[in-house]
Amino acid sequence: DIQMTQSPSSLSASVGDTVTITCRASQGISNHLAWYQQKPGKVPKLLIYAASTLQSGVPSRFSGSGSGTDFTLTISSLQPEDVATYYCQKYNGAPLTFGGGTKVEIK
Amino acid sequence: EVQLVESGGGLVQPGRSLRLSCAASGFTFDDYAMHWVRQAPGKGLEWVSSINWNSGRIGYADSVKGRFTISRDNAKNSLYLQMNSLRAEDTALYYCAKNSLPRGSGWYCFDYWGQGTLVTVSS
Repeated sequence: DIQMTQSPSSLSASVGDTVTITCRASQGISNHLAWYQQKPGKVPKLLIYAASTLQSGVPSRFSGSGSGTDFTLTISSLQPEDVATYYCQKYNGAPLTFGGGTKVEIK
Repeated sequence: EVQLVESGGGLVQPGRSLRLSCAASGFTFDDYAMHWVRQAPGKGLEWVSSINWNSGRIGYADSVKGRFTISRDNAKNSLYLQMNSLRAEDTALYYCAKNSLPRGSGWYCFDYWGQGTLVTVSS
């Protein structure tokens, strides 16, 4: 099975900073990758699919890139409401594996 | 408005069974694959199982294969998860989620999630 590895597992950044989260697949998955945001105590929310396509209603400060095995989620100009745990997920066939998550906090 | 409402969770002893339900509304249920995802307390998301629109394609995580059974009733707009031989490590919040693309697209990402139902396996 393909493993999804996120890094870092947590980070602390200042408001206005650019934050980058990495997700690596153990085998190529083309662009079949999604990013989710889960705020504390809330349900996960789809941010990005097909590696780089922004879900409707998601602020443009979120962006995704990558293909094959290496992917990134970038938050430009971090806002207080972006405090959350972010997960990547592959969906090119079962198992639809999630990464371990990256917890983003405000410094 | 898309709504997914899970039910059926609770406290159950190890080795016993539980059946989760997910009532869907606000979209054409039989046009979409559906999924179960769980989250143990303080842990990350774990994909559990998926079923396509007509139940013709089903998948399970290795951790639940042979113990859990996913099913759906399109006439009732409902998704189910039959959980047998429950273990302490099955303790989690169980979410149902909707596939973001309709039939013909295969399993894709999840654009709507329910609030979850908590399953606690303990003696």
